[in-house]
Amino acid sequence: GAVVSQHPSWVICKSGTSVKIECRSLDFQATTMFWYRQFPKQSLMLMATSNEGSKATYEQGVEKDKFLINHASLTLSTLTVTSAHPEDSSFYICSARWGGATDTQYFGPGTRLTVL
Amino acid sequence: GENVEQHPSTLSVQEGDSAVIKCTYSDSASNYFPWYKQELGKRPQLIIDIRSNVGEKKDQRIAVTLNKTAKHFSLHITETQPEDSAVYFCAASDTGNQFYFGTGTSLTVIP
Repeated sequence: GAVVSQHPSWVICKSGTSVKIECRSLDFQATTMFWYRQFPKQSLMLMATSNEGSKATYEQGVEKDKFLINHASLTLSTLTVTSAHPEDSSFYICSARWGGATDTQYFGPGTRLTVL
Repeated sequence: GENVEQHPSTLSVQEGDSAVIKCTYSDSASNYFPWYKQELGKRPQLIIDIRSNVGEKKDQRIAVTLNKTAKHFSLHITETQPEDSAVYFCAASDTGNQFYFGTGTSLTVIP
């Protein structure tokens, strides 16, 4: 089946630093990747949609200058949380969708970000 | 944009009983409805999905029904087992480029 990986799985950083999270589709080419944020015991909140080679589309209320997304290739998308603050602490999950007939998206294992 | 509502937020059933989770959506253009199961600290896993040209789909103990007119779809789990305990999310999508998730249902199956 389709496998999506994320790195790192857990990161702790100081306030003011930037953190990069990678999302990779390991055995398929992902034309579209999604980035979600999930707070404890809450649903997945879509942050942005990225298509390979083009700018990401951000959901309303998500600061694009704070959450930088780069979809450089068909197998890699990165999310950079710039100048992180404690309120950015959350579980970030990416998902990937291949460009076939299916709309199915496959989720990465998530990255837990803790900002001190 | 799309608004997906999910009920109930928590559900407890005895092992062997059935569980039903319901979702409603607002955008009539939505045509793809997946259900995900998420265990604590793990990634969401697709368990079943349905498209708008189908009214019902079944996979062993899991079934999903869709009522396009009423804009609601439901997940049915029969003969529940303790390993079914997890958080379940419904979602709706129109083009496949945006997925809107429900708020989740925490299912507990009591042995």
